[in-house]
Amino acid sequence: DVKVTQSSRYLVKRTGEKVFLECVQDMDHENMFWYRQDPGLGLRLIYFSYDVKMKEKGDIPEGYSVSREKKERFSLILESASTNQTSMYLCASRRGLAGGTGSWGQETQYFGPGTRLLVL
Amino acid sequence: AQSVTQLDSHVSVSEGTPVLLRCNYSSSYSPSLFWYVQHPNKGLQLLLKYTSAATLVKGINGFEAEFKKSETSFHLTKPSAHMSDAAEYFCVVSDRGKAAGNKLTFGGGTRVLVKP
Repeated sequence: DVKVTQSSRYLVKRTGEKVFLECVQDMDHENMFWYRQDPGLGLRLIYFSYDVKMKEKGDIPEGYSVSREKKERFSLILESASTNQTSMYLCASRRGLAGGTGSWGQETQYFGPGTRLLVL
Repeated sequence: AQSVTQLDSHVSVSEGTPVLLRCNYSSSYSPSLFWYVQHPNKGLQLLLKYTSAATLVKGINGFEAEFKKSETSFHLTKPSAHMSDAAEYFCVVSDRGKAAGNKLTFGGGTRVLVKP
């Protein structure tokens, strides 16, 4: 079974702090994703990564950055935490597809348990 | 552009009765469609997915969904609800064209309550 782990289940931080959220997957997946989940809004994509040192902005990247130095690890960084970043953060990974087969959307994403972040 | 609308934010059913969770989507390309479930304090788990094979898709825990292109719908059903089905359910669309860039788009979620 694919396992995606996140470093913390709960975090409490103060406004202005730098926050690191870590995600590790054990299935050698090329693609990794960071989402935030808010009531009524579902999950919204913050950033994703196709491979080591590769990153792409998602729908709501403002206020966030990411790092992918190793294939199995994808970090989300809040440079200066704000109260509107209080949320549940979910990491996911997915097998990549070589070449342009046009079937990228079929692969299943596997999710971690989430980190609930409270910014005071 | 792609989008997903889950028509009910909350659904309440009695144990042993059918469950219907409604989902409509829009997509510029041939879509893949997924249903995920999230139990309290747990990560998202894939229930089932449609990827252009059979339009009636069977998933885990007795759930199934039917892809109806003419109605742009992908409703999730289960004939008999169990207490363990109480959770939040997400309908998800992914464009399968390469230009779509690998993205999933999530609906807002439907929270299911199962009454004894």
